[in-house]
Formats: sequence, structure tokens, C-alpha cells
Amino acid sequence: DAGVTQSPTHLIKTRGQQVTLRCSPKSGHDTVSWYQQALGQGPQFIFQYYEEEERQRGNFPDRFSGHQFPNYSSELNVNALLLGDSALYLCASSSPSESSYEQYFGPGTRLTVT
Amino acid sequence: KQEVTQIPAALSVPEGENLVLNCSFTDSAIYNLQWFRQDPGKGLTSLLLIQSSQREQTSGRLNASLDKSSGRSTLYIAASQPGDSATYLCAVTTDSWGKFQFGAGTQVVVTP
Repeated sequence: DAGVTQSPTHLIKTRGQQVTLRCSPKSGHDTVSWYQQALGQGPQFIFQYYEEEERQRGNFPDRFSGHQFPNYSSELNVNALLLGDSALYLCASSSPSESSYEQYFGPGTRLTVT
Repeated sequence: KQEVTQIPAALSVPEGENLVLNCSFTDSAIYNLQWFRQDPGKGLTSLLLIQSSQREQTSGRLNASLDKSSGRSTLYIAASQPGDSATYLCAVTTDSWGKFQFGAGTQVVVTP
């Protein structure tokens, strides 16, 4: 049973460009959350998708947007990249059918903005 | 606003010693508390999940306790090994949807 997968593993972009990161949830999970983790800090919640809708959003600008597909996979898009967007982007999946609501994280995508 | 604090920020112990990692949170109305391990440059590995109605969870050498009234959780790792070297993160959710608020983590080094 595959866990949460993310692609690509690493990415280097130039300031002002746009980037798309991808996430496939754990089998049976329908809720996907995205987090940004800067070096030396804990992850910060970006947003969460459920039933193809953004259900919750953290304190991130509109440059950060997302999408969830019918197969529950998800994309995170960041426009007009800034140097400060350099971070590890983590995807987590969960399911309301699991009473514990335990979340499982993927390996992350390391984004470097130059 | 929920704030999660982990003290100490870094910890170094000789192999065989027990590890005690602390996590505190400001809003006691939590839904879940989850402990994670993170190796350098990697994703998060779930260690233990404690639901709000529980007081502790155990898995092998790991034991986590939860005291909601005082806003604290403690992760104990018995008989530490060099392979336990990693950053340990504590995270809480205040609703069933699972939006996590993380601490900054405790970086642990276990020396042989």
C-alpha cells in the first residue's frame, strides 16, 4: 500500500516564475493538506482540500492556490515566486472515515528560489 | 490563537539514556496531538497520536503523555540509540478536520 507520494523531489526556480507541486494521498484518504516548512522551523499550514473544494486556509497570500482532482490527488501552485518561498513543501493526507483523523505526510518537495 | 512550544530546541545525550521531550500548547481545547520524527531534509514520520480523550499512548520504546488541563505533552524515548537522532515535532489540531499547529521541534543527537 503506497503512502503519500509527492513530486518532484527537488525544484529550482527563478524569482517571479510559477511552480506546480503534486501530491497523491495514501490509499483510501480523501483529504489533502499542504504545509510549508522553512529551514529550522515547524511546518506552517497552507490549505486543505476535501471533495475537490478548499475547506480551510492558513495565513498565506493568494499567490498560493491549489486544486484537488476526482481521484483525490492534489496540486499546489505558487505564482510570482519570491526568495522567501524557498522551503520544504509537505503534503499530508487523512480521512474522516478514520475516527482518529491521523495524518500521514509525504517526503516533501524541496523548492529553491534564486 | 493556538501556539505550540517545544523545549529544549536541541538536546544531546549519550547512547542508552532516556530522552524526555516537552511540548506545550496554549489552547487546551485540542482534538488530537501527534508526535512526528523528521530526519534532515525529509518528510515527517508519525510516531504517536493521542486523541483528546486519552492520557497516553505507547509504541515500543516510545511513550507519549497528554495533560490537556495544563496544556502539556511529553514524549519519552527509552534507552536511546544513535538511530534516534532526528528532529522531533509536536503538532495539535483543534478540530476534526485536522489542521495542524506545529511546534518548532527539538533536535536530538544521541552519541555512541
